Amino acid sequence: DAKTTQPPSMDCAEGRAANLPCNHSTISGNEYVYWYRQIHSQGPQYIIHGLKNNETNEMASLIITEDRKSSTLILPHATLRDTAVYYCIVRVQGYGNKLVFGAGTILRVKS
Amino acid sequence: GAVVSQHPSRVICKSGTSVKIECRSLDFQATTMFWYRQFPKQSLMLMATSNEGSKATYEQGVEKDKFLINHASLTLSTLTVTSAHPEDSSFYICSAEGQGSLSQPQHFGDGTRLSIL
Repeated sequence: DAKTTQPPSMDCAEGRAANLPCNHSTISGNEYVYWYRQIHSQGPQYIIHGLKNNETNEMASLIITEDRKSSTLILPHATLRDTAVYYCIVRVQGYGNKLVFGAGTILRVKS
Repeated sequence: GAVVSQHPSRVICKSGTSVKIECRSLDFQATTMFWYRQFPKQSLMLMATSNEGSKATYEQGVEKDKFLINHASLTLSTLTVTSAHPEDSSFYICSAEGQGSLSQPQHFGDGTRLSIL
């Protein structure tokens, strides 16, 4: 079973920041938080991951609370092409460890 | 960035046919690849972990004789759906990760949509 909880859906206005929350209250010390997204009829796309520090890359920012029980994925300027299902996944560090997908959040970016 | 290629992207075939799907890591070596299945309006379900040079590890409820996995090289894993039936129609997706730091992300192929008539 997935170890994360996400809202089933969210709407965001185009050009605004999209903030997607994720609860992972049972996360272990050796588990990373990964975010992927899946656009309709495509394979999941890696976005970002982190352990305990906030992370930023060209796609998004990841804010992890100090107790690591929750995190937020931030898309700073959402576009229509960001409409997708976003998955928050916790995964034990180390090569070959599997990803377990939950239901994710359907993000709809609207003009 | 890391690229995973999956082929074919779409297959339509008759019931009873066996179908082979290929998953390749194009710019890195992957001793471990993963196979997922996704039904409409559902999330991805892990089917099996493919290990180069050894037997695959199947998730509970996945028939290993039905879904044959071969990982013959560091860049190629294949999934064969044997004697496919309409209930096997689904979106099959593979993933792979390069060896490196402990937190390497997995990268996914674009999936294979299998339709059994």
